[in-house]
Amino acid sequence: EIVLTQSPATLSLSPGERATLSCRASQSVSSYLAWYQQKPGQAPRLLIYDASNRATGIPARFSGSGSGTDFTLTISSLEPEDFAVYYCQQRSNWVYTFGQGTKLEIK
Amino acid sequence: QVQLQESGPGLVKPSQTLSLTCTVSGDSISSGGYYWNWIRQPAGKGLEWIGRIYTTGSTNYNPSLKSRVTISLDTSKNQFSLNLSSVTAADTAVYYCARIDPGRYNWFDPWGQGTLVTVSS
Repeated sequence: EIVLTQSPATLSLSPGERATLSCRASQSVSSYLAWYQQKPGQAPRLLIYDASNRATGIPARFSGSGSGTDFTLTISSLEPEDFAVYYCQQRSNWVYTFGQGTKLEIK
Repeated sequence: QVQLQESGPGLVKPSQTLSLTCTVSGDSISSGGYYWNWIRQPAGKGLEWIGRIYTTGSTNYNPSLKSRVTISLDTSKNQFSLNLSSVTAADTAVYYCARIDPGRYNWFDPWGQGTLVTVSS
């Protein structure tokens, strides 16, 4: 099973600041990585797929990068609605796994 | 647009079988070559993929749950279902259904709103 490790566990920033979230895979997943946003009481929402592609309707301030084992989700300028938990997920084989999440909180 | 909605008992006794249904609207469950998935999330914790069923009925399960999981399709009702046997308190979680469309994103999108299942006597 491929293990995804996200860091940091919690990130405290202010609106307008830049957020950088990391996801590291225990073995190469090529570009088969996605990012999801989850707000309290809601289901996760797909943000980024195939490491760097924004899903429909996702603002341009969200961007993804990386390949192999190291991936980054960047939010260029935080809006109040961006404070949430973010998960990475891989599908390099048919046993899908998620990272443990990064909580992005207001400083 | 396609929408998914989970339903089923909110309380299950230990050692019994948890049974949930996901009703799909806005598209046919038997068309399009989709994968229909179950994912769960214990309170305050991360996400765990349980398994998937393809349009043809073929299935794949998380090895950690494989011995207890069955996922099936009911095309007449446009639904798919999850059965998880021999449940314990560790199976208490919010259960989500989600679609994978290999022709679009090939990732979990969309998701149902989730349903909380508590395992307790």
